[in-house]
Amino acid sequence: LAKTTQPISMDSYEGQEVNITCSHNNIATNDYITWYQQFPSQGPRFIIQGYKTKVTNEVASLFIPADRKSSTLSLPRVSLSDTAVYYCLVPDTPLVFGKGTRLSVIA
Amino acid sequence: ETGVTQTPRHLVMGMTNKKSLKCEQHLGHNAMYWYKQSAKKPLELMFVYSLEERVENNSVPSRFSPECPNSSHLFLHLHTLQPEDSALYLCASSHGPGREMGDTQYFGPGTRLTVL
Repeated sequence: LAKTTQPISMDSYEGQEVNITCSHNNIATNDYITWYQQFPSQGPRFIIQGYKTKVTNEVASLFIPADRKSSTLSLPRVSLSDTAVYYCLVPDTPLVFGKGTRLSVIA
Repeated sequence: ETGVTQTPRHLVMGMTNKKSLKCEQHLGHNAMYWYKQSAKKPLELMFVYSLEERVENNSVPSRFSPECPNSSHLFLHLHTLQPEDSALYLCASSHGPGREMGDTQYFGPGTRLTVL
């Protein structure tokens, strides 16, 4: 049973900013939050990881409020190639990927 | 590029065949994983190895038999599979399993298995 909750699907037009929010109400004090991206017929790929406040890399930004009970993955100016499933994970034994959020980018 | 390789990439086998999937990681990690992903379904964790010892086995049928001879190699031996076992089989590695603060898994490209 996944310890995170995220929307099943989202649609966006090319060029828009996409924000995917994940709830993790029972996150432990020392746990990091990790996001993965998966394209069809490929393994998930690490996107970004954070503990608190804001983390940014060349792919995305991750916003984590002070209570850390949720996090938001932000994808700036999405393109068609960003169409994928995005998973939000917190550590667990065993690690559970859940269903993720299926993002469809439309031209 | 990911540092985790899998062979073969595609495999078609009959229900009476015996085959093996191979995974190799070049990242110096201590943990390796096998996942199954059926069409339009979430990833299912099958096996976890840490330092070559199995630490997790999620009630996988005995027709799937894992082997981890060293921390860089992981095999999945297949025998008398069923058509419903057709899926994408993914291997991953990480620094260590369990409730690590931020343990990140790196996945291979997967083996697309079709059982006839």
